[in-house]
Amino acid sequence: AQTVTQSQPEMSVQEAETVTLSCTYDTSESDYYLFWYKQPPSRQMILVIRQEAYKQQNATENRFSVNFQKAAKSFSLKISDSQLGDAAMYFCAYRINNDMRFGAGTRLTVKP
Amino acid sequence: DVKVTQSSRYLVKRTGEKVFLECVQDMDHENMFWYRQDPGLGLRLIYFSYDVKMKEKGDIPEGYSVSREKKERFSLILESASTNQTSMYLCASSLRQGGIETQYFGPGTRLLVL
Repeated sequence: AQTVTQSQPEMSVQEAETVTLSCTYDTSESDYYLFWYKQPPSRQMILVIRQEAYKQQNATENRFSVNFQKAAKSFSLKISDSQLGDAAMYFCAYRINNDMRFGAGTRLTVKP
Repeated sequence: DVKVTQSSRYLVKRTGEKVFLECVQDMDHENMFWYRQDPGLGLRLIYFSYDVKMKEKGDIPEGYSVSREKKERFSLILESASTNQTSMYLCASSLRQGGIETQYFGPGTRLLVL
């Protein structure tokens, strides 16, 4: 079965510091897409960043960047200059053809 | 901006009741999805639809059905609610841009079955 694993149920970071959330996945496909979604407390889930597997260059969106290691099937999210508003559940996901899979999530706490 | 709305944020129902969860998107997306979200399990796909009147089972369809009579609306139906269906239900619709199909989520419906 194709799966997504987020090995850190909870993470904590000091405001203005950098934190990295881990994600690994298991697939035999070579063409797929990877996503990080953010779900703030009691608020809507929103897309943070996405990456095409055929692109070697890591995606970046302002303070959010990924470290995509295709051979290792790893897709970690780095948040730089963490802000209080970054506190949320973060879900890693991949899409292969019509199949979308999510990890169990990592709860990020940001300390002032 | 894409807008995906769900009819209720919170819902309390009794065991055996028939429950309807409604989802509407306003961006003419072809694809719509229903997930349930449980702690430690992430999101699990219940059903999805790639066109009007079309539906496909996801990973956990048992105890659920869906209806898509109009493109913008995708309904999830619990025929006879049970306590193990207490969960957060998320609807999503998707758009393909630049070769990537990205899902946009509604605010969720937290369902409690007593």
